[in-house]
Amino acid sequence: EVQLVQSGAEVKKAGESLKISCQGSGYDFPNYWIDWVRQVPGKGLEWVGIIYPHASDDRYSPSFQGQVTISADKSTNTVYLHWSSLKASDTAMYYCARQRENIYGPGRDGLDIWGQGTMVTVSS
Amino acid sequence: DIQMTQSPSTLSASLGDRVTITCRASQSIGGWLAWYQQKPGKAPKLLIYGASNLESGVPSRFSGSGSGTEFTLTISSLQPDDFATYYCQQYHNYLTFGQGTKVEIK
Repeated sequence: EVQLVQSGAEVKKAGESLKISCQGSGYDFPNYWIDWVRQVPGKGLEWVGIIYPHASDDRYSPSFQGQVTISADKSTNTVYLHWSSLKASDTAMYYCARQRENIYGPGRDGLDIWGQGTMVTVSS
Repeated sequence: DIQMTQSPSTLSASLGDRVTITCRASQSIGGWLAWYQQKPGKAPKLLIYGASNLESGVPSRFSGSGSGTEFTLTISSLQPDDFATYYCQQYHNYLTFGQGTKVEIK
């Protein structure tokens, strides 16, 4: 079965660091782009950034550039989203999702496989 | 940045109704558009890619059309499982989502 499995919910304080994970299975993980998408409770979807695990090639939305870091470990089929210093405004559900095809490059297709989401709660 | 605007924000409909949701892009995106369905507490599910291509396993009552700046998602006959929030997403220049359309029971 093709799937992405994310790490569990996190409760942190402002200023702390955090790394959440997304592990893929059932397909050629290193050769598909993986996106991160944020959803604040009760709100819509926001694109955070993307990575190609095979080359660790990463790109970011201007809104999130410098605020988070996306990394990958192709030996374990895992992608990470990292904060060095959390803010209360980072409180949200974070989804990883696979880009359907990589023919046209990063961010150039729909997202066909989604993780179950990781809820991050940051208290001030 | 490319902005995506959906209308309406909320739609009340009955079982069996034909439902249409519109998505407008702030600049031309060709056919680089996807539609998703999201239910409470669940991850989004891809319905349509390339503006009009039905994702595998998605019922044929869902269809997409449009190009350039104006796109539509149509549900030909609303079923109980279709009450959810729907999002459009452009991928002409990375990704931007519309604000969502909630389809609720009339």
